[in-house]
Amino acid sequence: QQQVKQSPQSLIVQKGGISIINCAYENTAFDYFPWYQQFPGKGPALLIAIRPDVSEKKEGRFTISFNKSAKQFSLHIMDSQPGDSATYFCAAKAAGNKLTFGGGTRVLVKP
Amino acid sequence: ETGVTQSPTHLIKTRGQQVTLRCSSQSGHNTVSWYQQALGQGPQFIFQYYREEENGRGNFPPRFSGLQFPNYSSELNVNALELDDSALYLCASRHPGQGDTGELFFGEGSRLTVL
Repeated sequence: QQQVKQSPQSLIVQKGGISIINCAYENTAFDYFPWYQQFPGKGPALLIAIRPDVSEKKEGRFTISFNKSAKQFSLHIMDSQPGDSATYFCAAKAAGNKLTFGGGTRVLVKP
Repeated sequence: ETGVTQSPTHLIKTRGQQVTLRCSSQSGHNTVSWYQQALGQGPQFIFQYYREEENGRGNFPPRFSGLQFPNYSSELNVNALELDDSALYLCASRHPGQGDTGELFFGEGSRLTVL
């Protein structure tokens, strides 16, 4: 059972453009929603995270938008750079710090 | 660098064999969890250890087992390997002072191939 659905599976964006990744969840018991970035050959690393009582959080070029009623959240990467080319995973945290990950989005930023 | 070290980085086994993967986390990180990441998919939670006891388990059969040692290093053991066990196995640690943010520090993983 896939409790966190992520889309698209991949996207290509020009340098300077905006990358948008969407996630939807089902379990209302999730209490924190982190995004992880993974480069080839590396483990995932925390990028940004949001609590469900906050509608938006911005850190540098990365913004999370959260819609609790729709059970959806998204990551926006502004002014995308070639160094942002990676796989991005949304996740949802349940009690006990167990993370449920989405399927991932492979982002390619073209120079 | 996350300070989480995993070994071996790559290994090849055959069906039916047993494997042990190892993880060393940062000092003071008393919670360690293991995730399985199949090719092209997101990581899936296997189990978590806190102070040497399992305190959470995902939808994995009992042939997946683990240990956490007093120095908070950890092992993942998989018995009776199946072809579908081929994946990247990720170890992640967490410091008690991090709060309830969902932030985990992942190692680079052990790539297991089962033939």
